[in-house]
Amino acid sequence: DTEVTQTPKHLVMGMTNKKSLKCEQHMGHRAMYWYKQKAKKPPELMFVYSYEKLSINESVPSRFSPECPNSSLLNLHLHALQPEDSALYLCASSQETGFSIEAFFGQGTRLTVV
Amino acid sequence: DAKTTQPTSMDCAEGRAANLPCNHSTISGNEYVYWYRQIHSQGPQYIIHGLKNNETNEMASLIITEDRKSSTLILPHATLRDTAVYYCIVRVVGWGTQGGSEKLVFGKGTKLTVNP
Repeated sequence: DTEVTQTPKHLVMGMTNKKSLKCEQHMGHRAMYWYKQKAKKPPELMFVYSYEKLSINESVPSRFSPECPNSSLLNLHLHALQPEDSALYLCASSQETGFSIEAFFGQGTRLTVV
Repeated sequence: DAKTTQPTSMDCAEGRAANLPCNHSTISGNEYVYWYRQIHSQGPQYIIHGLKNNETNEMASLIITEDRKSSTLILPHATLRDTAVYYCIVRVVGWGTQGGSEKLVFGKGTKLTVNP
């Protein structure tokens, strides 16, 4: 199984809502990542988790809150988002973070904030 | 953070080889070059990576110059399904709460269009 599964595929939320994005992998990878991608732009790194601990936060606003409950699961909790946060949110995993890495990406969650 | 330079777009005829260049003049001796591609509305897909020797796999070949300041990704027989944005990435190390973490930082990439 070389899949990274993201749910939901699409999400529409209001600015006062709280929602969560979910990412799952069963490849035994110990590094997991969240990326944000706006239309016609490259993916931008948001967070890196290594061995279930937050390793890197790329100065992401606190309305985005990541969580790694176990080695297979990565969540992104969303609260009080703005319309400009509408984007494709991509999750990725790799075996480790300290070596040359092949990262596997999910298909993303397309988020619309209204 | 992106340390690579790629052409914005390229065209290729179906069945011909697609050669995608990348400049990474500030690359360090122990930094790998990675190539990913992203087909429209999908997540990025790993293609190949290399350090100094040329590499080949079932998808593509990677040619790295001797001074390692540039590389070329070669798709030997491009098909319509190879139409995508191709990203050349050099390893970037970020320092966080768990020490050093290697992270993929995407540049702008090359939009490759394979024409029938």
